Amino acid sequence: DVKVTQSSRYLVKRTGEKVFLECVQDMDHENMFWYRQDPGLGLRLIYFSYDVKMKEKGDIPEGYSVSREKKERFSLILESASTNQTSMYLCASSYPPGHTDTQYFGPGTRLTVL
Amino acid sequence: SQKIEQNSEALNIQEGKTATLTCNYTNYSPAYLQWYRQDPGRGPVFLLLIRENEKEKRKERLKVTFDTTLKQSLFHITASQPADSATYLCAGTAGGGNKLTFGTGTQLKVEL
Repeated sequence: DVKVTQSSRYLVKRTGEKVFLECVQDMDHENMFWYRQDPGLGLRLIYFSYDVKMKEKGDIPEGYSVSREKKERFSLILESASTNQTSMYLCASSYPPGHTDTQYFGPGTRLTVL
Repeated sequence: SQKIEQNSEALNIQEGKTATLTCNYTNYSPAYLQWYRQDPGRGPVFLLLIRENEKEKRKERLKVTFDTTLKQSLFHITASQPADSATYLCAGTAGGGNKLTFGTGTQLKVEL
């Protein structure tokens, strides 16, 4: 079974704090993704990565950065958290092109920025 | 831009009936469509995938169709049960790429 884990289920931070969200997958997947999910807006792609040290911007990268130093780990960084970054953050992984692009999601991190 | 649209209104049905959810796509031609289930506070879980050259796919009580003329996929759950209550997401990809375009999901409630 594919397993994608996220470092925290719930997180509360203060405005201006630097926040790290970590994601680990155990299936040797090439691709990893970070989304945020808000009511009525669905899943919005923040960043994704095709390989170690590679990253590409998604639809809403502003205010976020990412790091992929190892194949199994993809980190999302909020350099200076703001209240509008309060959201559910979901990490996913998938096989490389040529496969079905099916994504496997982690349990999510509910981040609240006060 | 490419879009996947799902009915944002919740679908309420009685136990034992067939639930049918709709997914429409615009401004592109996905090579395949995928359906995911999401429970409250959890990440989506993959259910089924259908390719553009497949008209229909089944898995147990689930059935998915892909109509390239109507630009639509239908997702059916037969003999629905309260445990089927969840939000169902449709996602599409043009294939060969790595990104999925997700719809906002339709909430299904199966009542006793």
